[in-house]
Amino acid sequence: DTAVSQTPKYLVTQMGNDKSIKCEQNLGHDTMYWYKQDSKKFLKIMFSYNNKELIINETVPNRFSPKSPDKAHLNLHINSLELGDSAVYFCASSQDYRPNYGYTFGSGTRLTVV
Amino acid sequence: GQQLNQSPQSMFIQEGEDVSMNCTSSSIFNTWLWYKQEPGEGPVLLIALYKAGELTSNGRLTAQFGITRKDSFLNISASIPSDVGIYFCAGGTNTGNQFYFGTGTSLTVIP
Repeated sequence: DTAVSQTPKYLVTQMGNDKSIKCEQNLGHDTMYWYKQDSKKFLKIMFSYNNKELIINETVPNRFSPKSPDKAHLNLHINSLELGDSAVYFCASSQDYRPNYGYTFGSGTRLTVV
Repeated sequence: GQQLNQSPQSMFIQEGEDVSMNCTSSSIFNTWLWYKQEPGEGPVLLIALYKAGELTSNGRLTAQFGITRKDSFLNISASIPSDVGIYFCAGGTNTGNQFYFGTGTSLTVIP
Protein backbone atom coordinates (compact mmCIF):
# COMPACT_ATOMS: atom_id res chain seq x y z
CA ASP A 1 0.00 0.00 0.00
CA THR A 2 1.32 3.43 -0.95
CA ALA A 3 1.65 5.61 2.16
CA VAL A 4 1.04 8.97 0.43
CA SER A 5 -0.59 8.74 -2.98
CA GLN A 6 -1.22 11.55 -5.43
CA THR A 7 -3.25 11.63 -8.59
CA PRO A 8 -2.67 12.28 -11.37
CA LYS A 9 1.02 11.59 -11.86
CA TYR A 10 1.14 13.79 -14.96
CA LEU A 11 -1.11 16.66 -15.92
CA VAL A 12 -0.82 18.58 -19.20
CA THR A 13 -3.29 21.40 -19.69
CA GLN A 14 -3.79 24.67 -21.48
CA MET A 15 -3.43 28.13 -20.00
CA GLY A 16 -6.59 29.39 -18.40
CA ASN A 17 -7.93 25.96 -17.45
CA ASP A 18 -8.83 24.88 -13.91
CA LYS A 19 -7.38 21.64 -12.57
CA SER A 20 -7.21 19.64 -9.33
CA ILE A 21 -4.64 17.35 -7.78
CA LYS A 22 -5.70 14.84 -5.14
CA CYS A 23 -3.71 13.41 -2.25
CA GLU A 24 -4.46 10.68 0.26
CA GLN A 25 -2.37 9.27 3.11
CA ASN A 26 -2.94 6.01 4.96
CA LEU A 27 -0.38 6.58 7.70
CA GLY A 28 -2.81 7.97 10.25
CA HIS A 29 -0.90 11.26 10.26
CA ASP A 30 -2.58 14.44 11.45
CA THR A 31 -0.81 16.93 9.18
CA MET A 32 -0.58 17.20 5.40
CA TYR A 33 1.30 19.57 3.11
CA TRP A 34 1.61 20.76 -0.44
CA TYR A 35 5.08 21.53 -1.77
CA LYS A 36 6.08 22.96 -5.15
CA GLN A 37 9.35 21.92 -6.79
CA ASP A 38 10.48 24.21 -9.56
CA SER A 39 12.81 23.53 -12.47
CA LYS A 40 15.84 24.23 -10.24
CA LYS A 41 14.57 21.53 -7.85
CA PHE A 42 13.90 23.97 -4.99
CA LEU A 43 11.25 22.60 -2.64
CA LYS A 44 8.91 25.33 -1.49
CA ILE A 45 6.10 24.84 0.99
CA MET A 46 2.71 26.11 -0.11
CA PHE A 47 0.15 24.95 2.44
CA SER A 48 -0.21 22.81 5.53
CA TYR A 49 -3.32 21.40 7.16
CA ASN A 50 -3.52 19.89 10.62
CA ASN A 51 -6.67 17.87 11.24
CA LYS A 52 -8.47 19.74 8.46
CA GLU A 53 -7.38 23.14 9.76
CA LEU A 54 -5.15 25.38 7.63
CA ILE A 55 -1.96 26.17 9.59
CA ILE A 56 0.52 27.23 6.93
CA ASN A 57 -0.46 29.45 4.02
CA GLU A 58 2.67 30.73 2.32
CA THR A 59 2.67 33.53 -0.24
CA VAL A 60 0.89 31.71 -3.02
CA PRO A 61 -1.45 33.22 -5.65
CA ASN A 62 -5.06 32.93 -4.54
CA ARG A 63 -5.69 30.92 -7.71
CA PHE A 64 -4.40 28.02 -5.61
CA SER A 65 -6.95 26.71 -3.14
CA PRO A 66 -6.34 23.70 -0.90
CA LYS A 67 -9.16 21.66 0.56
CA SER A 68 -8.98 19.03 3.27
CA PRO A 69 -12.24 17.08 3.63
CA ASP A 70 -10.71 14.93 6.37
CA LYS A 71 -7.26 14.46 7.85
CA ALA A 72 -6.38 11.70 5.38
CA HIS A 73 -7.04 13.80 2.29
CA LEU A 74 -5.68 17.08 0.97
CA ASN A 75 -6.56 18.32 -2.48
CA LEU A 76 -5.18 21.25 -4.45
CA HIS A 77 -7.34 23.16 -6.90
CA ILE A 78 -5.75 25.62 -9.30
CA ASN A 79 -7.81 28.17 -11.21
CA SER A 80 -6.84 29.99 -14.41
CA LEU A 81 -3.61 28.11 -14.90
CA GLU A 82 -0.57 30.09 -16.06
CA LEU A 83 2.66 28.99 -17.75
CA GLY A 84 4.57 29.73 -14.53
CA ASP A 85 2.52 27.16 -12.65
CA SER A 86 4.38 24.40 -14.48
CA ALA A 87 6.25 22.45 -11.81
CA VAL A 88 6.15 19.24 -9.81
CA TYR A 89 3.73 19.37 -6.89
CA PHE A 90 4.35 17.11 -3.92
CA CYS A 91 1.94 16.14 -1.21
CA ALA A 92 3.46 15.14 2.13
CA SER A 93 2.32 14.17 5.60
CA SER A 94 3.73 14.18 9.12
CA GLN A 95 2.59 12.72 12.43
CA ASP A 96 1.54 16.11 13.73
CA TYR A 97 2.02 19.81 13.13
CA ARG A 98 5.47 19.71 14.74
CA PRO A 99 7.06 17.43 12.15
CA ASN A 100 9.97 16.34 14.32
CA TYR A 101 10.20 12.99 12.57
CA GLY A 102 10.09 14.52 9.11
CA TYR A 103 7.69 14.20 6.23
CA THR A 104 6.55 11.31 4.09
CA PHE A 105 6.24 12.51 0.51
CA GLY A 106 4.08 11.32 -2.33
CA SER A 107 5.63 10.61 -5.72
CA GLY A 108 4.59 13.97 -7.15
CA THR A 109 2.36 15.39 -9.87
CA ARG A 110 4.15 16.91 -12.83
CA LEU A 111 2.00 19.80 -14.08
CA THR A 112 2.75 21.21 -17.51
CA VAL A 113 0.83 24.26 -18.67
CA VAL A 114 0.97 24.91 -22.42
CA GLY B 1 11.08 31.43 4.05
CA GLN B 2 14.54 30.26 4.94
CA GLN B 3 16.69 28.46 2.44
CA LEU B 4 19.61 26.32 3.39
CA ASN B 5 22.69 26.24 1.18
CA GLN B 6 24.06 22.90 0.09
CA SER B 7 27.39 22.25 -1.51
CA PRO B 8 28.46 21.08 -3.87
CA GLN B 9 25.52 21.79 -6.17
CA SER B 10 26.39 18.72 -8.24
CA MET B 11 28.88 15.88 -8.19
CA PHE B 12 30.06 13.45 -10.82
CA ILE B 13 32.01 10.57 -9.31
CA GLN B 14 33.27 7.13 -10.23
CA GLU B 15 31.61 4.09 -8.73
CA GLY B 16 33.40 3.05 -5.55
CA GLU B 17 34.42 6.58 -4.54
CA ASP B 18 33.34 8.19 -1.29
CA VAL B 19 31.09 11.27 -1.34
CA SER B 20 30.87 14.21 1.03
CA MET B 21 28.33 16.99 0.98
CA ASN B 22 27.27 19.65 3.44
CA CYS B 23 24.45 21.95 4.32
CA THR B 24 24.72 25.34 6.02
CA SER B 25 22.22 27.73 7.51
CA SER B 26 22.26 31.18 9.04
CA SER B 27 19.84 29.89 11.71
CA ILE B 28 20.19 27.36 14.50
CA PHE B 29 18.18 24.18 14.13
CA ASN B 30 17.25 21.45 16.63
CA THR B 31 16.68 18.78 14.00
CA TRP B 32 18.43 17.99 10.75
CA LEU B 33 17.07 15.60 8.15
CA TRP B 34 18.61 14.18 5.01
CA TYR B 35 16.43 13.13 2.08
CA LYS B 36 17.16 11.47 -1.26
CA GLN B 37 15.06 12.13 -4.35
CA GLU B 38 15.31 9.75 -7.29
CA PRO B 39 14.11 10.80 -10.76
CA GLY B 40 10.33 10.85 -11.00
CA GLU B 41 9.84 10.20 -7.29
CA GLY B 42 9.33 12.16 -4.12
CA PRO B 43 12.05 12.70 -1.51
CA VAL B 44 12.62 9.78 0.85
CA LEU B 45 13.96 10.24 4.37
CA LEU B 46 17.44 8.76 4.86
CA ILE B 47 18.64 9.98 8.23
CA ALA B 48 17.32 12.14 11.07
CA LEU B 49 19.59 13.93 13.58
CA TYR B 50 18.39 15.40 16.86
CA LYS B 51 21.45 16.43 18.87
CA ALA B 52 24.42 18.69 18.19
CA GLY B 53 27.49 16.61 17.40
CA GLU B 54 25.40 13.49 16.75
CA LEU B 55 26.75 11.06 14.16
CA THR B 56 24.23 8.62 12.69
CA SER B 57 24.67 5.92 10.06
CA ASN B 58 22.27 4.17 7.71
CA GLY B 59 24.21 1.53 5.80
CA ARG B 60 26.87 3.27 3.71
CA LEU B 61 25.47 6.68 4.65
CA THR B 62 26.68 8.67 7.63
CA ALA B 63 25.34 12.06 8.65
CA GLN B 64 26.50 14.49 11.31
CA PHE B 65 24.73 17.27 13.17
CA GLY B 66 27.21 20.16 13.30
CA ILE B 67 28.22 21.39 16.74
CA THR B 68 27.25 24.97 15.88
CA ARG B 69 23.76 23.63 15.04
CA LYS B 70 23.95 25.66 11.84
CA ASP B 71 25.24 22.90 9.61
CA SER B 72 25.06 19.22 8.80
CA PHE B 73 27.09 16.81 6.71
CA LEU B 74 26.36 13.67 4.73
CA ASN B 75 28.92 11.10 3.64
CA ILE B 76 28.35 8.15 1.33
CA SER B 77 31.03 5.49 1.27
CA ALA B 78 31.85 3.25 -1.70
CA SER B 79 29.24 4.78 -4.00
CA ILE B 80 27.20 2.57 -6.33
CA PRO B 81 25.07 3.49 -9.37
CA SER B 82 21.82 3.39 -7.38
CA ASP B 83 23.09 6.26 -5.21
CA VAL B 84 22.21 8.58 -8.11
CA GLY B 85 19.73 11.25 -7.16
CA ILE B 86 19.33 14.61 -5.49
CA TYR B 87 20.16 14.81 -1.81
CA PHE B 88 18.34 17.39 0.28
CA CYS B 89 19.02 18.53 3.80
CA ALA B 90 16.24 20.01 5.91
CA GLY B 91 16.41 21.88 9.20
CA GLY B 92 13.70 22.30 11.81
CA THR B 93 13.19 23.78 15.26
CA ASN B 94 11.34 22.41 18.29
CA THR B 95 8.78 25.21 18.15
CA GLY B 96 8.39 25.41 14.38
CA ASN B 97 5.72 23.82 12.24
CA GLN B 98 7.81 23.07 9.16
CA PHE B 99 11.21 22.03 7.92
CA TYR B 100 13.27 24.29 5.70
CA PHE B 101 14.89 22.54 2.77
CA GLY B 102 18.31 22.96 1.26
CA THR B 103 19.08 23.73 -2.35
CA GLY B 104 20.02 20.11 -3.06
CA THR B 105 23.13 18.25 -4.22
CA SER B 106 22.76 16.28 -7.43
CA LEU B 107 24.85 13.09 -7.45
CA THR B 108 25.81 11.19 -10.58
CA VAL B 109 27.73 7.93 -10.23
CA ILE B 110 29.64 6.76 -13.28
CA PRO B 111 29.95 2.96 -13.47
